[in-house]
Amino acid sequence: DGGITQSPKYLFRKEGQNVTLSCEQNLNHDAMYWYRQDPGQGLRLIYYSQIVNDFQKGDIAEGYSVSREKKESFPLTVTSAQKNPTAFYLCASSIGLRAGYTFGSGTRLTVV
Amino acid sequence: AQTVTQSQPEMSVQEAETVTLSCTYDTSESDYYLFWYKQPPSRQMILVIRQEAYKQQNATENRFSVNFQKAAKSFSLKISDSQLGDAAMYFCAYRRRSSGGGADGLTFGKGTHLIIQP
Repeated sequence: DGGITQSPKYLFRKEGQNVTLSCEQNLNHDAMYWYRQDPGQGLRLIYYSQIVNDFQKGDIAEGYSVSREKKESFPLTVTSAQKNPTAFYLCASSIGLRAGYTFGSGTRLTVV
Repeated sequence: AQTVTQSQPEMSVQEAETVTLSCTYDTSESDYYLFWYKQPPSRQMILVIRQEAYKQQNATENRFSVNFQKAAKSFSLKISDSQLGDAAMYFCAYRRRSSGGGADGLTFGKGTHLIIQP
């Protein structure tokens, strides 16, 4: 079945470490997105990519980095520069503006 | 920048009753898309319904319907015959139709927590 796979489901990070969240899709969607969800904040856009080898900053890109070397993959790295990384991270993809998003099941990142 | 406002942090409804969730948005665009997403306790985001701004007819998907008032920039979700499985966070979202010139992607409201009373 087609869909988006995020891994791991839970991730723990020590202070000062970089961690990478995986997002893979087999839907043949061109556009992919990373969102951060905090309680009472809704979803906020971190980065997005509309084609391979191209990506753009969203509203809260500071402390994060991405790559898009393959159409199927859009990993997110949470760097040590992100001061408050504990959150729920959602990856999504889209085939076009009208279609809305298909979401992954999310990764819960906790700083320990 | 576009903003989406959901003024009801939490709503409660009796099973089998009807409930309406409110959403307003602010945009200078004339053509755009609006969505309602459901996020149950599993935290999987599920598309409930979409509306295209150039269509005057309100979208309907089974027990879910919207009241789209373009002039008022209002996009409410009505759930009829509420069921226990409808309990979730509901997010209203906006997306402009034309890409380019600023961040692409959906802009979400902060959500409404819907409780279904048995």
